[in-house]
Amino acid sequence: QKEVEQDPGPLSVPEGAIVSLNCTYSNSAFQYFMWYRQYSRKGPELLMYTYSSGNKEDGRFTAQVDKSSKYISLFIRDSQPSDSATYLCAMRRKAAGNKLTFGGGTRVLVKP
Amino acid sequence: DGGITQSPKYLFRKEGQNVTLSCEQNLNHDAMYWYRQDPGQGLRLIYYSQIVNDFQKGDIAEGYSVSREKKESFPLTVTSAQKNPTAFYLCASSMASSSYEQYFGPGTRLTVT
Repeated sequence: QKEVEQDPGPLSVPEGAIVSLNCTYSNSAFQYFMWYRQYSRKGPELLMYTYSSGNKEDGRFTAQVDKSSKYISLFIRDSQPSDSATYLCAMRRKAAGNKLTFGGGTRVLVKP
Repeated sequence: DGGITQSPKYLFRKEGQNVTLSCEQNLNHDAMYWYRQDPGQGLRLIYYSQIVNDFQKGDIAEGYSVSREKKESFPLTVTSAQKNPTAFYLCASSMASSSYEQYFGPGTRLTVT
């Protein structure tokens, strides 16, 4: 069983819809949570970072963490075709330096 | 213009040959990382280095080797011992090993036939 599970998709939504992405994890030692966006054949770029349970907003993006359920989510409001990409969740343990554990990624397609 | 460069973008090799992938950063970052990405498996850590002349194995180091002779450079060699070398390879760096943000390069697509 993988430490971090993520539905691979693809997730297809019409432009303007809310995109809802999530990851589940099995190791309660994960304390820090990140979402990366990766365009096709490019390197990932950090979108959101959070370390506490609850919500964190940044523009159209909201990251949500529920440590009791070992579940994290990313919501994209007012989705645009430019949001079409693969979204990767990543996590790290407090004492693991910067060693990240990634989910498999969810491919998102926003149709105009 | 700061960032991470990886070259080449596409690389083709015959089975049994060693190949070295280049990674250079001018961000003055201390830590550097190599990941492998396969479809549906996310990124898996191959090797990482927190300072010059020091590096540690990641989760899938078998069949790979690295060096860190300069702060800005962290080349990865894919040896003939790597059983499934065809993959997308990503290099990343961060300010320190405790920094949560890793900056990624554009990647190298290696195909071995």
